[in-house]
Amino acid sequence: NAGVMQNPRHLVRRRGQEARLRCSPMKGHSHVYWYRQLPEEGLKFMVYLQKENIIDESGMPKERFSAEFPKEGPSILRIQQVVRGDSAAYFCASSPAFGGRSTEAFFGQGTRLTVV
Amino acid sequence: DAKTTQPTSMDCAEGRAANLPCNHSTISGNEYVYWYRQIHSQGPQYIIHGLKNNETNEMASLIITEDRKSSTLILPHATLRDTAVYYCIVFNNNNDMRFGAGTRLTVKP
Repeated sequence: NAGVMQNPRHLVRRRGQEARLRCSPMKGHSHVYWYRQLPEEGLKFMVYLQKENIIDESGMPKERFSAEFPKEGPSILRIQQVVRGDSAAYFCASSPAFGGRSTEAFFGQGTRLTVV
Repeated sequence: DAKTTQPTSMDCAEGRAANLPCNHSTISGNEYVYWYRQIHSQGPQYIIHGLKNNETNEMASLIITEDRKSSTLILPHATLRDTAVYYCIVFNNNNDMRFGAGTRLTVKP
């Protein structure tokens, strides 16, 4: 059972371009969480999605950022018109639905976005 | 915002037990206590979780107080490779996971 897969591992974009970050959850997991981490800082929650639904996006910037988790395929975090301040590590985690007993969420290895 | 508070940093001597405390006084009845750690800039690694009973696995032990308002993660024999940031969160698969700043544990030779 493969773990949470994120790609690309490293992404370089020029200011004004779009960045698309992908997260393939573990098999059987229907919940996905995205986090942003700046150097020497903690994990900042961005968005929580279930299949085809955004459950909580209170941590997402109001503009330029969007996320989706389609019925088929990976979850996508999309950043339009990137700026230097978007440079960070972006992590995703996946978990199964609550089935009477809480089950751990697993993290991917992250995507390091550098905006030049 | 995170529902947990942890000390900013701790030191531990190699080979000794590391005891990392966490306060979660507003935990709900159906929320579990989870511990993760992050080594350098790698993805966070799951350690252990529990509801109200103490738990032990090959990595660590988790002691939860009877009122569930606080817990302690115990690494019984810390090694240099256990140097990391340790995060305590409350979670139940039906809500989002919010991380605080964690505790930076430094294991010293």
